[in-house]
Amino acid sequence: EPEVTQTPSHQVTQMGQEVILRCVPISNHLYFYWYRQILGQKVEFLVSFYNNEISEKSEIFDDQFSVERPDGSNFTLKIRSTKLEDSAMYFCATRQGNYGYTFGSGTRLTVV
Amino acid sequence: QKEVEQNSGPLSVPEGAIASLNCTYSDRVSQSFFWYRQYSGKSPELIMSIYSNGDKEDGRFTAQLNKASQYVSLLIRDSQPSDSATYLCAVTPEDSNYQLIWGAGTKLIIKP
Repeated sequence: EPEVTQTPSHQVTQMGQEVILRCVPISNHLYFYWYRQILGQKVEFLVSFYNNEISEKSEIFDDQFSVERPDGSNFTLKIRSTKLEDSAMYFCATRQGNYGYTFGSGTRLTVV
Repeated sequence: QKEVEQNSGPLSVPEGAIASLNCTYSDRVSQSFFWYRQYSGKSPELIMSIYSNGDKEDGRFTAQLNKASQYVSLLIRDSQPSDSATYLCAVTPEDSNYQLIWGAGTKLIIKP
């Protein structure tokens, strides 16, 4: 079964540092998303990406965040100047058509 | 503010019984509805999607949608200990084809 692959599985970073979270979507999926889930809380939408541009973004997705698809396969989320409150599980998800999303296994980001 | 509400539980059900999970949503014109299962520390896994009023069955799972009453439910027949997880309800708002709005999830415990 096709998978969404995320790396790294766990990232520890110092406050103020930049991190890049990587995702390899399912090859024929056209819609890409980043969600995050703070421990014990709801899954929260960050951004959607379609046709090589951002389709929608939430209030969380401010200037600290950016996404890109640098090489036509990887889909990355960059978080600049990380804060303690950025600690969360970050999930990449993709979808084809109007079906439910397929989620990657997530990256646990810990900011210390 | 669009909301998706779920009883946080835990909901305890004996093995072999029917587990009933409920979800209400505030956006009257929501279009797509999804049930995800999430094991602790793992990513959400799609169980069912439903788009029109009525019931949709897939194996031991049945999703029920009532748009007039703005609720969607998930029934799990012949519950197994492996069904123990948090069940997340997610809704696509009418004004967005891209993002999902998530409930906080209901923790289900199946007792052997």
